[in-house]
Formats: sequence, structure tokens, C-alpha cells
Amino acid sequence: EDQVTQSPEALRLQEGESSSLNCSYTVSGLRGLFWYRQDPGKGPEFLFTLYSAGEEKEKERLKATLTKKESFLHITAPKPEDSATYLCAVQAVGDYKLSFGAGTTVTVRA
Amino acid sequence: NAGVTQTPKFQVLKTGQSMTLQCAQDMNHNSMYWYRQDPGMGLRLIYYSASEGTTDKGEVPNGYNVSRLNKREFSLRLESAAPSQTSVYFCASSEAGGELFFGEGSRLTVL
Repeated sequence: EDQVTQSPEALRLQEGESSSLNCSYTVSGLRGLFWYRQDPGKGPEFLFTLYSAGEEKEKERLKATLTKKESFLHITAPKPEDSATYLCAVQAVGDYKLSFGAGTTVTVRA
Repeated sequence: NAGVTQTPKFQVLKTGQSMTLQCAQDMNHNSMYWYRQDPGMGLRLIYYSASEGTTDKGEVPNGYNVSRLNKREFSLRLESAAPSQTSVYFCASSEAGGELFFGEGSRLTVL
């Protein structure tokens, strides 16, 4: 059974204070690891897909990296608008479904 | 450019009542999914449909049924609602697996 564990559960940052979110996973053959952003009262919004260890992807102040056991989402010089819950999910080879972690809620104070 | 549309957005039911959540996507995706989201537990898969004409159970299928009406539409039915089914329900679609595109959610309260 695929398992995804995200830490920390919550993260409070000052504007400009960079930090990282962790996503640890176990899966029987990784097809892809996905990062989503979810704002309160909204559906998750797709950010990145990572396919193999060593891969990195960037979008504005966000950078996602992948190893064989975990992924990190780095937030560089965050702004209040980066406040959201960030979800990590994995998909196994040959599978259609994604298994999600519980998420990390990030709050950025001005 | 609607993407994934869910109805209703809010619903209150009494224990034992039935209802159907509707979902439609306009991206011509093959695969569709129903997840529920509860505090501290993340998104859990209820049912999915890899392609038109097929449906499969996910992690938490008990108490639910689904119908893939056509390529665009995938409905979720609660035959006899229970308080444990109070949750936020999300429909999603994807092109043969890969990244999911989600609707805005349907918030269900069972009294």
C-alpha cells in the first residue's frame, strides 16, 4: 500500500523567511510525485510533477526536489499570498489513482 | 473554461436520506475520481473510473456507489447517509492518469 507522510503539519513563517516542507513516501515503483496547493474552501490546484530522483522543478518562489524516499518543497522569500495548504501525492507505476498526504498548512505573516 | 464542475456545492441531509453528487468535466479526460477530505486525514479516494464504462473501488468505498454516465460525467451516490459521511467531496479528472484537476468541492453535512 502506498504511503505518504508530510511534515510539519503546520508552518508559520515571517514574510521573507525561507523554509522547506517534507514529503516522505513509500510506493511500489514510482510513476510520479505530485505537489498541489489548496486554498481554504477551494479544490487543490496542481503545482508540479516529479518523475525521477534528482529531478527539480521551479515556479515563482517554489522549488520541488525529489529523492528515492522523499520530496521537498522549498519556499524562498515567501509572501503572504503563499499562505495555503500544500499537498503531496504519489502515483505507482501502472496505477491510475493518486495517494495523498495530509498536507502542510503554511501561514506567512507580513 | 469551466474545467471540473460539481453540484451541489453545499448540502445538509438527515441520517438515512439519499442523495447524488454530480460531476462533469469539459477537458475530454478519460479518467475521473471521487475523493473525500476530512481534517487531519488528507484526501482519500472513494471510487475512480479509469475510462468510460469502468469503475473501481478506492480506499474508502463503503456506503457509496458511482456511475460513469458518459465520458464527461461521473456521479457519486449515498444511498443511506450516515453522520460519518459528513465531509468535503472532491471530483477530479485526468488524462489516463497523471496530474489530477479538481473541482471546487461539495460540502456535505449529515445530521
